[in-house]
Amino acid sequence: GENVEQHPSTLSVQEGDSAVIKCTYSDSASNYFPWYKQELGKRPQLIIDIRSNVGEKKDQRIAVTLNKTAKHFSLHITETQPEDSAVYFCAAPRPMNRDDKIIFGKGTRLHILP
Amino acid sequence: NAGVTQTPKFRVLKTGQSMTLLCAQDMNHEYMYWYRQDPGMGLRLIHYSVGEGTTAKGEVPDGYNVSRLKKQNFLLGLESAAPSQTSVYFCASGGTGGYNEQFFGPGTRLTVL
Repeated sequence: GENVEQHPSTLSVQEGDSAVIKCTYSDSASNYFPWYKQELGKRPQLIIDIRSNVGEKKDQRIAVTLNKTAKHFSLHITETQPEDSAVYFCAAPRPMNRDDKIIFGKGTRLHILP
Repeated sequence: NAGVTQTPKFRVLKTGQSMTLLCAQDMNHEYMYWYRQDPGMGLRLIHYSVGEGTTAKGEVPDGYNVSRLKKQNFLLGLESAAPSQTSVYFCASGGTGGYNEQFFGPGTRLTVL
């Protein structure tokens, strides 16, 4: 079946360093790729998304890159800060299934070390 | 705007009991979703709705039923709760299909003993 694979499951980086989380998808028709951040005990919230007509999108310290040929997309966080500690989820739709769902990755727990 | 709200916030059930979780949104969204979140499993879709009066199965629908009688409300029912349904349940709403931002509710923590 069509899945969204997310790696790594856990990531620890020193404050100030960069963090990269990668997701792969299987449906070649997918054209929308969001990233959600979930702080401890809170709800998931969208932090950035990208559509397939662009290869990269930036918003201050976060960026998402998309490689449609390889069917993977990545979240980049630069100059990490303590408030970046959270669980991050990627997601992708499955247009070939002709439904209106998106499938979430299993999440990456990011720890920012002091 | 309250966004997406869920009631209750917490609930403890005994095996075999039933309950209904209520989700409400005030953003006039067509699409609404129910997810469950378990450690290490991400967000798994239970059921969803593409409009008032319609519902569809997600990835893990067994043991749950839903109804969307009003556009702003999406109800999730457990007819006979089982310990395997212990989880955190999130409701979400969004625009057209899976191609737009989903707005999540605060979650309901359910424990089935």
